[in-house]
Amino acid sequence: GENVEQHPSTLSVQEGDSAVIKCTYSDSASNYFPWYKQELGKRPQLIIDIRSNVGEKKDQRIAVTLNKTAKHFSLHITETQPEDSAVYFCAVESSNYQLIWGAGTKLIIKP
Amino acid sequence: ETGVTQTPRHLVMGMTNKKSLKCEQHLGHNAMYWYKQSAKKPLELMFVYNFKEQTENNSVPSRFSPECPNSSHLFLHLHTLQPEDSALYLCASSQGAGLRPNQPQHFGDGTRLSIL
Repeated sequence: GENVEQHPSTLSVQEGDSAVIKCTYSDSASNYFPWYKQELGKRPQLIIDIRSNVGEKKDQRIAVTLNKTAKHFSLHITETQPEDSAVYFCAVESSNYQLIWGAGTKLIIKP
Repeated sequence: ETGVTQTPRHLVMGMTNKKSLKCEQHLGHNAMYWYKQSAKKPLELMFVYNFKEQTENNSVPSRFSPECPNSSHLFLHLHTLQPEDSALYLCASSQGAGLRPNQPQHFGDGTRLSIL
């Protein structure tokens, strides 16, 4: 079945700098790749997703890139702000349309 | 956002107790999910319901018993739980699971469960 690995597990960046989180997956047939943000004590929320027919998608300071050949996709956050501090989860849609989740990355924004 | 509501938010129970978690969605979705979230581990999918029918049971112990009376409500009945069952239990919904691709999931705030 699908296997998703997410790195790093913790990422600390200076406010204003960029943050990059990467996920790799195993099933080359996967076509949908969402990213969720979970703030402390709150629910996971979808922040951006990408489908396999595009290589990059951007929404203001957030972007996701997809490399289907290498089977990895990354979340990029530019000009980081304190409110970006959270745990970020990647997910991959499996062949039966279920989401397989990464273990999460705790992003810490240092003032 | 109040699309998916879970109650209670916190629950402390002994190993011999019986309790139930409740989830309700107001998004008109057809699929509902139960996840277990433990520290530093991926979200663990427990159960999936499509149009009230259970379509996934990921080897979950029988001490967890789901119930889906309609597409808007989902319950998780708990009995004789173990200390390792302490975790955050998240409910989610989507347009359809296993039927249509590329369907984002919408989560509730979860129930923080502690087993004494």
